[in-house]
Amino acid sequence: IAGITQAPTSQILAAGRRMTLRCTQDMRHNAMYWYRQDLGLGLRLIHYSNTAGTTGKGEVPDGYSVSRANTDDFPLTLASAVPSQTSVYFCASSEQGGVGYTFGSGTRLTVV
Amino acid sequence: GESVGLHLPTLSVQEGDNSIINCAYSNSASDYFIWYKQESGKGPQFIIDIRSNMDKRQGQRVTVLLNKTVKHLSLQIAATQPGDSAVYFCAENKGTYKYIFGTGTRLKVLA
Repeated sequence: IAGITQAPTSQILAAGRRMTLRCTQDMRHNAMYWYRQDLGLGLRLIHYSNTAGTTGKGEVPDGYSVSRANTDDFPLTLASAVPSQTSVYFCASSEQGGVGYTFGSGTRLTVV
Repeated sequence: GESVGLHLPTLSVQEGDNSIINCAYSNSASDYFIWYKQESGKGPQFIIDIRSNMDKRQGQRVTVLLNKTVKHLSLQIAATQPGDSAVYFCAENKGTYKYIFGTGTRLKVLA
């Protein structure tokens, strides 16, 4: 089934540890995005990539980094996790000029 | 920008009734709007979209209305069903590929 796969589904992480959230899509969409979702704050854009080889910062990029080595994969790395990064993280993709996003099922991350 | 609140607004609707979910957007230059549905434990799912040159668009059991004068979007769901229970978000286009999402409204369908 075409779509976005995120891994892990959930994770409890000690503060200060490094963590990479994985995102893979099989729709050959050019654009990919990482959002975090916090109650009362909605979805906030962390980083995005318009096409393989390029990335950009969203609303809340601090403490996160991304790479886009190819069309399908868009990993999100927390270099040194802090409790305020406890959230649900969603990866999404869209066609260039396409309407709307396709979202993954999310990764629930708890930093303790 | 988005309003920040501790609690998600909730709309409770009797099964079979119509639901109206409202959204205020911030950027008068936004030219594209989308409604998403998010069920518990899942990612948001596209429902319906509308461009700024339209004021109404209909889908299957859903209608989106756009009032650019007051920067207001609404999603109408006809004959609400238990499967419609979810959180609904509006999103406005804020530049190429990027959208700003509202904080969401929780729809509860009462049997």
